[in-house]
Amino acid sequence: EVQLVETGGGLVQPGRSLKLSCVASGFTFNNYWMSWTRQAPGKGLEWVASITNSGGSTYYPDSVKGRFTISRDNAQNTLYLQMNSLRSEDTATYYCTREEVAGGFDYWGQGVMVTVSS
Amino acid sequence: DIQMTQSPASLSASLGETISIECLASEGISSYLAWYQQKPGKSPQLLIYGANSLQAGVPSRFSGSGSGTQYSLKISSMQPEDEGDYFCQQSYKFPYTFGAGTKLELK
Repeated sequence: EVQLVETGGGLVQPGRSLKLSCVASGFTFNNYWMSWTRQAPGKGLEWVASITNSGGSTYYPDSVKGRFTISRDNAQNTLYLQMNSLRSEDTATYYCTREEVAGGFDYWGQGVMVTVSS
Repeated sequence: DIQMTQSPASLSASLGETISIECLASEGISSYLAWYQQKPGKSPQLLIYGANSLQAGVPSRFSGSGSGTQYSLKISSMQPEDEGDYFCQQSYKFPYTFGAGTKLELK
């Protein structure tokens, strides 16, 4: 059974940093691109970052480029999201997602809440 | 960025009714279109990928169609468990983008 379990969320002040982790199980982790997607309270979905299966390439939207870094440890089946210079608009539930080869995110974690507030 | 215009924003359907949700991309996305269902307090679930491929375990009353810039999700017979929010998403080009969502309720 595929499982994605996120940890690391919490309350953080604007301008500070936070690192999210996602432990994957039930599939061959290093065969898949992985991503982070977020959802602000009561709002829609926003893609945040993607990383290739080897970790050699990463992709971000302009809203987080230069502040967020996605990375992975294939030996530990773990995906990370380092978030720096956090802003109030980064407040959201962050989901770890597996990318389906033909497009779309076929598995989602349970989500972890990040609240940026003073 | 590719804009995904999803309609309608909300929809109320009777039991057994057939409904459709539309997604219009601002440019061609070559069927790199996925549909998700999200229930309150839960993570989204993939329903359709590649515009018309049914994800494993998803009931056959769900179907997707479309090409180019126009795509749709059809539920052929509304069931109580189909209530929730629905989102489309393009993965043709970075940044991946989602539609704003459709709230589906049982009448």
